[in-house]
Amino acid sequence: RKEVEQDPGPFNVPEGATVAFNCTYSNSASQSFFWYRQDCRKEPKLLMSVYSSGNEDGRFTAQLNRASQYISLLIRDSKLSDSATYLCVVNFYTGGFKTIFGAGTRLFVKA
Amino acid sequence: GAVVSQHPSRVICKSGTSVKIECRSLDFQATTMFWYRQFPKQSLMLMATSNEGSKATYEQGVEKDKFLINHASLTLSTLTVTSAHPEDSSFYICSAREGEGVSYNEQFFGPGTRLTVL
Repeated sequence: RKEVEQDPGPFNVPEGATVAFNCTYSNSASQSFFWYRQDCRKEPKLLMSVYSSGNEDGRFTAQLNRASQYISLLIRDSKLSDSATYLCVVNFYTGGFKTIFGAGTRLFVKA
Repeated sequence: GAVVSQHPSRVICKSGTSVKIECRSLDFQATTMFWYRQFPKQSLMLMATSNEGSKATYEQGVEKDKFLINHASLTLSTLTVTSAHPEDSSFYICSAREGEGVSYNEQFFGPGTRLTVL
């Protein structure tokens, strides 16, 4: 089983739609969680951190479920510019800092 | 946010040559830098973690003699791909973070270096 798993998609949605991605992780010692966005042939950029209480930033909502070991990202009112790959990132510290990236979920938003 | 630069952004070289890629944190001191590789349509794969002033920690399957990492200062890490071959062609990305001992610090990514080995 992969340490961090995501549905690769692609998700094809019309503008204005709501879309949700999930990401599961296998290491229960995981300590911090992030969603990154990566555009084609570019470096990843932080979209948002994911907190236990859940957090919202405009049209984006991230949630963490430690019991079931998954995080989610909800995008409301999708824009064309949201088209990208969304990477789930899990950090844990076990004597050394380790980061695991998910393979990413591809999103296409169409007019 | 913090800025990380990488140089060069793109390099094309002949098989057998060595290529050096620089990663710099421009406005903060990076106690730890990470080197990733990404093949087309695949996820980022961590190659190694480097801490300033000490030897890099390589991930399983990454040859330390082929991918030489030097983190001589708190703002600069270099990755040298020695005797490059076409299968080393990839997108190499570095990232940097401040602080030690906490896992919630964000990593700041460089813009990446696209290496093509002919």
